[in-house]
This record gives sequence, C-alpha cells and structure tokens, in this order.
Amino acid sequence: SYVLTQPPSVSVAPGQTARVTCGGNNIGGKSVHWYQQKPGQAPVLVVYDDSDRPSGIPERFSGSNSGNTATLTISRVEAGDEADYYCQVWDSSSDHWVFGGGTKLTVL
Amino acid sequence: EVQLVESGGGLVQPGGSLRLSCAASGFTFSSYSMNWVRQAPGKGLEWVSYISSSSNTIYYADSVKGRFTISRDNAKNSLHLQMNSLRAEDTAVYYCVRGLGLPSGFDIWGQGTMVTVSS
Repeated sequence: SYVLTQPPSVSVAPGQTARVTCGGNNIGGKSVHWYQQKPGQAPVLVVYDDSDRPSGIPERFSGSNSGNTATLTISRVEAGDEADYYCQVWDSSSDHWVFGGGTKLTVL
Repeated sequence: EVQLVESGGGLVQPGGSLRLSCAASGFTFSSYSMNWVRQAPGKGLEWVSYISSSSNTIYYADSVKGRFTISRDNAKNSLHLQMNSLRAEDTAVYYCVRGLGLPSGFDIWGQGTMVTVSS
C-alpha cells in the first residue's frame, strides 16, 4: 500500500516561513491535499490539488509537489498557525485514501 | 450554512455493533461523494470508507472491510456507517466528510462522534 511520510514536528519563529514535507513514491504524479487540525477541532482543508486554496484560507498557505516530495509552505507564520498538519493522496492502485502521519507545527 | 452533524457514537463492548449517522445540510447532498474518517485518541487521521454520490461505488480501508458498511439516503440527506464486530482498536472519533470528487480532497468535515469499544 502507498505510504506518506511526514516529519513528526517542525518548529518556526513567528514571522518566519514554515515548510512541512510529505514524502511518497513518485508523489509528484498524484494530487496532494493538506489539512490543518487544532486541538479538539475537526481538520480543515488548507490546500488541495497540490497548490489550490479553498476560499477563506489565507494566501500565506501554499503548496508544491514534485518528484518524491510535496511541501506545504506557511509564510509569515502566526501563533494561530500552531496545529497538526496532514497530507493526503488518493491511491488509485488500491482505491484507498491515504493520510500522512501528521506534523506538529510549533510556533516558538 | 454547509454543515455535517454526526450522531450515534457511544460505548460498546467488543464484538458489538453500532450505527453512525450523519445529517447534511446547506448543500445538494446528492451531488457529492462522502467519506468516514476516524482518529484514535492521540493518533493521526485514518480514512475508513468512501461512497460515491449515487452509491454506485464504495471503498473500505483494509482494517474495516467485511465489518463496516457505508450507505447513504439522498432523499433524507443522510450518511450512515454500520459497524459490526467492533474491536478495541476501532475506538476513535469518527468524522463524516464531504469529498470534492476523486482524486481531490475533503472540503467539509463534521465535528465528529466518539466511539469507545471497551468491556
């Protein structure tokens, strides 16, 4: 089955840029989606189809995908961005949705 | 307002059954695929099941295949998950989630309902 690998944690100072990676075999050939989940809340879609943003999501959130790595980039990080972030793809070979293990973003 | 509201969670003994429901409002339910996603306490997200807008296509995670059944009633704007032969490892918050269509992601999530499998 297809596996997505995320770093357990990323730390960044306020105002800096955070990058959360998602690794997978030839992930560049798939559409990658990213979710933000704050404690006690349901996940929220922040980037879909590699780099599109749903309405209401700040432009500070952007995505890219190439080769074996997809990246969620959060510019000008704010304290309110502290959350768990999950990547997701559709694995057509198994007809399964797959989530990465999640990355905890800490704002220092 | 687009909304998904889950119900039916609770405490059940191992081997028991439970039926989750999800009430959709604020959008044309029959036009969207739907999913169930779960999250065990302190753990990450795990996709459980998918159903297409017309119920023609259904998929399950390997961990629940043969035990769980997803269904929908487009006339009543509702989604269901029948869970049988429950195990301790099925303990989780279960989210009802709207899909954007394969292979796009999930754009609307309910608040979740807790299922605890314990004796």
